[in-house]
Amino acid sequence: DGGITQSPKYLFRKEGQNVTLSCEQNLNHDAMYWYRQDPGQGLRLIYYSQIVNDFQKGDIAEGYSVSREKKESFPLTVTSAQKNPTAFYLCASSIADRGKNIQYFGAGTRLSVL
Amino acid sequence: SQKIEQNSEALNIQEGKTATLTCNYTNYSPAYLQWYRQDPGRGPVFLLLIRENEKEKRKERLKVTFDTTLKQSLFHITASQPADSATYLCALVAILTGGGNKLTFGTGTQLKVEL
Repeated sequence: DGGITQSPKYLFRKEGQNVTLSCEQNLNHDAMYWYRQDPGQGLRLIYYSQIVNDFQKGDIAEGYSVSREKKESFPLTVTSAQKNPTAFYLCASSIADRGKNIQYFGAGTRLSVL
Repeated sequence: SQKIEQNSEALNIQEGKTATLTCNYTNYSPAYLQWYRQDPGRGPVFLLLIRENEKEKRKERLKVTFDTTLKQSLFHITASQPADSATYLCALVAILTGGGNKLTFGTGTQLKVEL
């Protein structure tokens, strides 16, 4: 089955702790994305990567970091600098075409602060 | 500033009726407009895409219209069923001058189909 796998489904962060959210895809897509979803605010882009070893900041990158060492994997680290990390985090991938940018999403990780 | 607006109030309709959801935008020139479905606690799922030069697109019980003059898209579900209850997101694809594109999502409208 092709798709995007996010883990864990639920994650709890303690004060001052960095946590890493996993995202793996077997769709052979070049582009991958991380979004944050808060109630009433829709999806906001954190980081995206269009090719291995390259990534760009999205609209709300502060307090987050990513890496793209393999085409299949795009982990997101929520650092202690992110003061309001409680949210639903979604990873997506797409074919790196010039136009349509149809995105395929994982099931999400819900992050809460202890 | 750029804005995508979807009705934040839930839409409640009776089974069998047609549901119509609205997506309005300002200060965008989208090349494509997409609609996604999102169930609680799950990621969005792509439903339909319409190009800027298309007026209407259909897929089974779904119909999308795109009016670039009004800056509006309408999303219709005919013969609605309780299984259609979900949040529906519109998203705009803008082509960037330097190459590449940017996808921006609306906040979504929750649809509830009642028996």
